Amino acid sequence: EVQLLESGGGLVQPGGSLRLSCAASGFTFSSYAMSWVRQAPGKGLEWVSTISGSSGNTFTADSVKGRFTISRDNSKNALYLQMNSLRAEDAAVYYCAKDRASSGYYGTFDYWGQGTLVTVSS
Amino acid sequence: DIQMTQSPSSLSASVGDRVTITCRASQSINNYLNWYQQKPGKAPKLLIYAASSLQSGVPSRFSGSGSGTDFTLTISSLQPEDFATYYCQQSYYTPRTFGHGTRVEIK
Repeated sequence: EVQLLESGGGLVQPGGSLRLSCAASGFTFSSYAMSWVRQAPGKGLEWVSTISGSSGNTFTADSVKGRFTISRDNSKNALYLQMNSLRAEDAAVYYCAKDRASSGYYGTFDYWGQGTLVTVSS
Repeated sequence: DIQMTQSPSSLSASVGDRVTITCRASQSINNYLNWYQQKPGKAPKLLIYAASSLQSGVPSRFSGSGSGTDFTLTISSLQPEDFATYYCQQSYYTPRTFGHGTRVEIK
């Protein structure tokens, strides 16, 4: 059974940093691209970043480029999102999501974690 | 960025009704269109991928169609557990973008 478990969310001041983690199990982690998708309170879904299975390629939304960095450790079946220079508009539930296909176009998310809440406030 | 426009933004329907949600892309995305269902406080769930392929475990009352810029999600006979918000999403261009959602409510 595929499981994704996020952690690391919490309250942070504007300008602060936070590192989110996602522990994966139930599938061959290194074979699949993984992504972060966020959802501000009461709002829709926003793709944040994707990393290929081998970590060779990363893609990041312009809204967070230069501030957020996606990474993974295939030996630990873990996905990360380092978030720096946080702003009020970054406040959201952050989901990690697994890609449905092991090759080809990324961005079809067949499994999602339960999400971790990031609050940015002074 | 590719804009994904869903309509309606919300609808009220009764159990047993046929429900149709549309999604329009601002330019052609071939068939790289996915549909997700999200219930309050829960993570989204993939229903349809590649415009018309049913994700494993999803009831057959859900179906998708379309190609290019215009897509449709149909629920053939609405069930109580289908009351939720539905999102379309394109997976052809970066950034991957979602529609704003369609909330399906009980009439």
